[in-house]
Amino acid sequence: AQSVTQPDIHITVSEGASLELRCNYSYGATPYLFWYVQSPGQGLQLLLKYFSGDTLVQGIKGFEAEFKRSQSSFNLRKPSVHWSDAAEYFCAVGGYNKLIFGAGTRLAVHP
Amino acid sequence: SAVISQKPSRDICQRGTSLTIQCQVDSQVTMMFWYRQQPGQSLTLIATANQGSEATYESGFVIDKFPISRPNLTFSTLTVSNMSPEDSSIYLCSVGGTSGGHEQYFGPGTRLTVT
Repeated sequence: AQSVTQPDIHITVSEGASLELRCNYSYGATPYLFWYVQSPGQGLQLLLKYFSGDTLVQGIKGFEAEFKRSQSSFNLRKPSVHWSDAAEYFCAVGGYNKLIFGAGTRLAVHP
Repeated sequence: SAVISQKPSRDICQRGTSLTIQCQVDSQVTMMFWYRQQPGQSLTLIATANQGSEATYESGFVIDKFPISRPNLTFSTLTVSNMSPEDSSIYLCSVGGTSGGHEQYFGPGTRLTVT
């Protein structure tokens, strides 16, 4: 069955610290992978996507993600977190225009 | 990416009534999607709406409860019928990207509270 697992429900980091949000997926074919961010009271914004090619992809707002096929993972990283990064982050896997979302990771940023 | 608007942005409704949510896109798109996000939860796809055909519903969602219209390539509506408090959620529409990579772009959502 197709699924996405985000093991961390809540993560708290200090401003300026590095960040890694984990995402594991189960998908029968070559996956299309996505990270979205949802700020309070807002819709979802696409941070980055992976379709093929270079396994390290760059996104908006200084985020990057690395696709590791052997680990079925697509972890999101940022070298230095800003207070405005506090939000809910969703990993998603898709194909044929259907997205399956993980449960989300809520990020809190301490000043 | 497309600019997507939704109306209303939020509403408080009484149980047993219905609410129609509108989704407007600033460009023509083939596929539109409707999602539900229950409080503190992730997104669940309700249905896919293609212009000129019946919407395709996911398991657990039925047309009588969530009728969808797609009259043209820039507009869709989702109706939540005979509402109960369990329908209190954020409802989001999205559209498929144009790069062929299956990404979707989302509207700001409609926050529905049923009392």
